[in-house]
Amino acid sequence: EVQLVESGGGLVQPGGSLRLSCVGSGFTFSSYWMNWVRQAPGKGLEWVANIKQDGSEKNYLDSVRGRFTISRDNAEKSLFLQMNNLRPEDTAVYYCAGAGGWLIENWGQGTLLTVTS
Amino acid sequence: EIVLTQSPGTLSLSPGERATLSCRASQSVPKNYLAWYQQKPGQAPRLLIYDASNRATGIPDRFSGGGSGTDFTLTFSRLEPDDFAVFYCQQYATSPLTFGGGTKVEIK
Repeated sequence: EVQLVESGGGLVQPGGSLRLSCVGSGFTFSSYWMNWVRQAPGKGLEWVANIKQDGSEKNYLDSVRGRFTISRDNAEKSLFLQMNNLRPEDTAVYYCAGAGGWLIENWGQGTLLTVTS
Repeated sequence: EIVLTQSPGTLSLSPGERATLSCRASQSVPKNYLAWYQQKPGQAPRLLIYDASNRATGIPDRFSGGGSGTDFTLTFSRLEPDDFAVFYCQQYATSPLTFGGGTKVEIK
């Protein structure tokens, strides 16, 4: 069974930093593009970033580029999102998601980030 | 950026009814790389349809996807009680990947 388990969410002040993590199991982690997708409370889904299997290619949503960094450790089957200079509008549930090509096939249960003073 | 517009925003239907949801793209979606997801309250989304018309593994045949270019649809042949949820379309052809705003299908 494919499992993606996120961690690292919490309460952060504007301007602060946080690192999200995601561990995958039940599939060949190193064969998949990996993504972060977020959902603000009561709102729709918003793709944030993705990273190629070997980490050589990364893509970002314009509003997070330069503030967020996606990375992965295939040996540990882990995906990360380093988030700096956080803003209240970054408040959301952050989902880790695995993709065949760029098609998102599998989702974690999400971790909540709240940015507030 | 490809902007996806879903309609209607909310659909009120009874179990057993047929339903069609719409997703319109601001420009043609290359290779019809359009997916549909179902999301229930408090849960992660679930992949239903990919490449506009292919059902994902384990998805019942009462769900069907159609369309091409800029106009896509998700159809339920007959709604079951477990189907009521929010449905999102998403294009995965170009970066940034984008989602539509969602259609909520609620019990009438």
